[in-house]
Amino acid sequence: GEDVEQSLFLSVREGDSSVINCTYTDSSSTYLYWYKQEPGAGLQLLTYIFSNMDMKQDQRLTVLLNKKDKHLSLRIADTQTGDSAIYFCAERMNTGFQKLVFGTGTRLLVSP
Amino acid sequence: SQTIHQWPATLVQPVGSPLSLECTVEGTSNPNLYWYRQAAGRGLQLLFYSVGIGQISSEVPQNLSASRPQDRQFILSSKKLLLSDSGFYLCAWSLRGGVVYEQYFGPGTRLTVT
Repeated sequence: GEDVEQSLFLSVREGDSSVINCTYTDSSSTYLYWYKQEPGAGLQLLTYIFSNMDMKQDQRLTVLLNKKDKHLSLRIADTQTGDSAIYFCAERMNTGFQKLVFGTGTRLLVSP
Repeated sequence: SQTIHQWPATLVQPVGSPLSLECTVEGTSNPNLYWYRQAAGRGLQLLFYSVGIGQISSEVPQNLSASRPQDRQFILSSKKLLLSDSGFYLCAWSLRGGVVYEQYFGPGTRLTVT
């Protein structure tokens, strides 16, 4: 199947770290992505990781990839109230077309 | 730089009425184009994608259709809306032949069918 799974909700305090998890389906996926959606808006690409990497760090964001378990995570260090949003992981299916399959999204709520 | 526009931003339509949502991309040529629907509390569902003018692929059978009359214009239509068509519709584009295949999204259209 094409179900990319995420937990629905995460609540953290400002200044703490947030970890958002994702389980994807296609072990041959070449790229995996994290998108952010603020209320009433479209999706914004945050970061991506190529499947031959285990980790990618970009300022406050750290992406970890476990290909054996098909598990992807996004860690946000020093979480701020402006990080409150829905976070989607997505995988690029290993087909001839550039199709992305998105997870259900994790709503992150950051409280002061 | 590239930009993607969608309109209208919000729409309230009665059941049985027609629908036309428009998406345009600026600053790039020959993009791949996509229509997604995001139902309340759910993830994104790919509805249609297009690799060129007049070339439309449908991902799921439904009450909707798509057209690409120009290179950077993508239209989502329906002849008769159903209640279940309510949702947040997102248009996206990606660079054809790109390496990372990231998709860039428009601001979305909130459709409420009453």
